[in-house]
Amino acid sequence: YELTQPPSVSVSPGQTASITCSGNKLGDRYTCWYQQKSGQSPVLVIYEDNRRPSGIPERFSGSSSGNTATLTISGTQTLDEADYFCQAWDSSFVIFGGGTKLTVL
Amino acid sequence: QVHLQESGPRLVRPSETLSLTCSVSGDSVGSYYWNWIRQPPGKGLEWIAYIYSTGTTNYNPSLKSRVTISIATSRNQFSLRLKSVTAADTALYYCARSLGSGWTSYFDSWGQGALVTVSS
Repeated sequence: YELTQPPSVSVSPGQTASITCSGNKLGDRYTCWYQQKSGQSPVLVIYEDNRRPSGIPERFSGSSSGNTATLTISGTQTLDEADYFCQAWDSSFVIFGGGTKLTVL
Repeated sequence: QVHLQESGPRLVRPSETLSLTCSVSGDSVGSYYWNWIRQPPGKGLEWIAYIYSTGTTNYNPSLKSRVTISIATSRNQFSLRLKSVTAADTALYYCARSLGSGWTSYFDSWGQGALVTVSS
């Protein structure tokens, strides 16, 4: 089972960024999203498709349907520039997407 | 708040065994699932294994033949051993806690990572 993400996404400050994660019938399983800034450990930003952990800004949201899960960042800020990874389970094993580099410029 | 810290040798020779320990504070390893995840330099994340306090384990099929994960509840630690390493095993190794169960679980807390280099 594979999760496919675009290698890069660019967005202007204040605009909405959408990062996709594709996999066969991904909508039938839960997707999580992690943010990893340069030189730092990953941080969970979305779990169970659309739930936001405590401390994560409301501008981060998630959705999932069919073969695609989407992480949406509304009103993107320069501090949101990072790599983003999606994650799901295949049987009893964890699968990560290849990651998407979000550039805010 | 839970804190995880990886420790162990940062340089391992090819064909030898990589050993890392994750020390947990602010929570008991007697609860939840505990994981190892790695990230080769400049690349993506790869889940290695998890363990529960009961000793239940699960491994990435691609690494299963070389990996052992163990837990020491009295020391509030869990460990990773990866044998017969090659340069391809050079990576930043993270320990992480997962919450939830089964297909709902997710990694909510991560260590800072330990860069392990495989080289002679």
